[in-house]
Amino acid sequence: DTAVSQTPKYLVTQMGNDKSIKCEQNLGHDTMYWYKQDSKKFLKIMFSYNNKELIINETVPNRFSPKSPDKAHLNLHINSLELGDSAVYFCASSFTEQETQYFGPGTRLLVL
Amino acid sequence: AQRVTQPEKLLSVFKGAPVELKCNYSYSGSPELFWYVQYSRQRLQLLLRHISRESIKGFTADLNKGETSFHLKKPFAQEEDSAMYYCALFGWGKLIFGQGTELSVKP
Repeated sequence: DTAVSQTPKYLVTQMGNDKSIKCEQNLGHDTMYWYKQDSKKFLKIMFSYNNKELIINETVPNRFSPKSPDKAHLNLHINSLELGDSAVYFCASSFTEQETQYFGPGTRLLVL
Repeated sequence: AQRVTQPEKLLSVFKGAPVELKCNYSYSGSPELFWYVQYSRQRLQLLLRHISRESIKGFTADLNKGETSFHLKKPFAQEEDSAMYYCALFGWGKLIFGQGTELSVKP
């Protein structure tokens, strides 16, 4: 299946832990993104990468570190997790920033 | 600053009734606007974008530059239209989403 996939789907962890979320797309897109959807369903961009290069960093705390080993993957590592990090994190990809974005299924993160 | 406003957090209609989900934007350039939909527990997906001028699942949206609006309309709502709808503006290299409107279509 051609799509954007994320793992894990659910992540429950304690405050202070470090966790990673992986994202892969096999659509041949050059641009990938991470979005955060909060408890009020508000969706906000965190990062975007184009061909492994960081393009947008939306004043996200530096506890969040994206890594793009190649243009088909964009992983998100979060250090020292806080309660406020609890949210659904969506990965997305597109050919260019202006084109339609295709979203992953989301990773529901709960920090206890 | 660019901004996308969806004034209704929740919109509830009966099956067969017309639906209009409002979206207003603030942008100094020529806007590129999208509507994305998120069905329950599913991923966000594109519903339509203004440059394609398509009708998808019976939904249409017209860009009104005078009123800076991009309202989403459907003449007869179906129960399967119940979902979260996001208006989005592409500006300054990124997609900016509105707050979302949850549409509930009752039988």
